[in-house]
Amino acid sequence: GEDVEQSLFLSVREGDSSVINCTYTDSSSTYLYWYKQEPGAGLQLLTYIFSNMDMKQDQRLTVLLNKKDKHLSLRIADTQTGDSAIYFCAEISPSGGYNKLIFGAGTRLAVHP
Amino acid sequence: KAGVTQTPRYLIKTRGQQVTLSCSPISGHRSVSWYQQTPGQGLQFLFEYFSETQRNKGNFPGRFSGRQFSNSRSEMNVSTLELGDSALYLCASSPGTEIEAFFGQGTRLTVV
Repeated sequence: GEDVEQSLFLSVREGDSSVINCTYTDSSSTYLYWYKQEPGAGLQLLTYIFSNMDMKQDQRLTVLLNKKDKHLSLRIADTQTGDSAIYFCAEISPSGGYNKLIFGAGTRLAVHP
Repeated sequence: KAGVTQTPRYLIKTRGQQVTLSCSPISGHRSVSWYQQTPGQGLQFLFEYFSETQRNKGNFPGRFSGRQFSNSRSEMNVSTLELGDSALYLCASSPGTEIEAFFGQGTRLTVV
């Protein structure tokens, strides 16, 4: 079945690194995504990783994928107050059909001085 | 390049009424998906359209329907509104391949 789980809350100090974790159940997932949602806004695609990759880096963002454990993480280096938002992990799998993203419940990241 | 445009941004309707939401995808994108976001259920997939055909559908009652026009713009309709339909409705646009989906700002529907 399709299920994506995330911890609900993370608090970090400005300048530190943030690590947001996600687990998924569908081993046939092809792509895994991280989206950011700020208050009153839609979803912003941050990055994605193909299931045959272990790591992807994009400026301050690093995505790690452990396919054996079905674990995905997003590391944000030098976290800033502007990074405060809800972060959603999502997957697409062939079993879900075309363009059907399965989302986790979202992790609220709070950045404090 | 313009992003995904959803109209209206906010809507208040009464129970029993019907509502139509609109989504204009990024130019050149042929796939439009719709999602419902509520505090209780999170983000849930409604349906996906590609070249005017519904390719995928989520687990929502038949009161939720959609369509896509030849210019790829999509509309979503909810009939006989219930209080539980109050949500942020998000539209996502992609070229048609299962890689990048870009979301609009959403339409916040309140049913009273």
